[in-house]
Amino acid sequence: DGGITQSPKYLFRKEGQNVTLSCEQNLNHDAMYWYRQDPGQGLRLIYYSQIVNDFQKGDIAEGYSVSREKKESFPLTVTSAQKNPTAFYLCASSLGPSNQPQHFGDGTRLSIL
Amino acid sequence: GDSVTQMEGPVTLSEEAFLTINCTYTATGYPSLFWYVQYPGEGLQLLLKATKADDKGSNKGFEATYRKETTSFHLEKGSVQVSDSAVYFCALSRYTGTASKLTFGTGTRLQVTL
Repeated sequence: DGGITQSPKYLFRKEGQNVTLSCEQNLNHDAMYWYRQDPGQGLRLIYYSQIVNDFQKGDIAEGYSVSREKKESFPLTVTSAQKNPTAFYLCASSLGPSNQPQHFGDGTRLSIL
Repeated sequence: GDSVTQMEGPVTLSEEAFLTINCTYTATGYPSLFWYVQYPGEGLQLLLKATKADDKGSNKGFEATYRKETTSFHLEKGSVQVSDSAVYFCALSRYTGTASKLTFGTGTRLQVTL
């Protein structure tokens, strides 16, 4: 079945450490997105990519970085500059730059040790 | 900018009760509207969508109608089940010509009891 796979499901970060969250999709979607979800809040957009080798900052990009070297993959790195990284991170994809619905992975929960 | 406002939860209902979760939006142009559902510890699943005024989206007994005159997209279900307990997010998508981004409401938690 086609879908979006996020790994790991749980991740722990030490102070001053960078960590990378994986997101892979086999839906042949062009666009991919990263969101952050905090308790009791909606989703906030971190980065998005409409095509390979191109990505744009979302509303809360500071302290995060991404790459899009392959259509299927859109990894997110949470850097040590992100001072409050504890959150639930969701990856999504959609067919392209139109009002198509986004499809979500099951998320990665990041905590600080 | 774009925004979505949902009624605050939690909403607690008995099984077989009628459900309404209110959603209103602010956006320029002609957004598409969505309802997503999130079960504990999982990602979001698309529940239903509507792409233009007066469209009605429906799925699994849930319905919502795109009302441009009241800028609303209220979610309804005639008879809820315990398995409907989850967090529901209203969202809009607007294509700017170079990108399409979702704007989410803060979510409404639904608890259904026997």
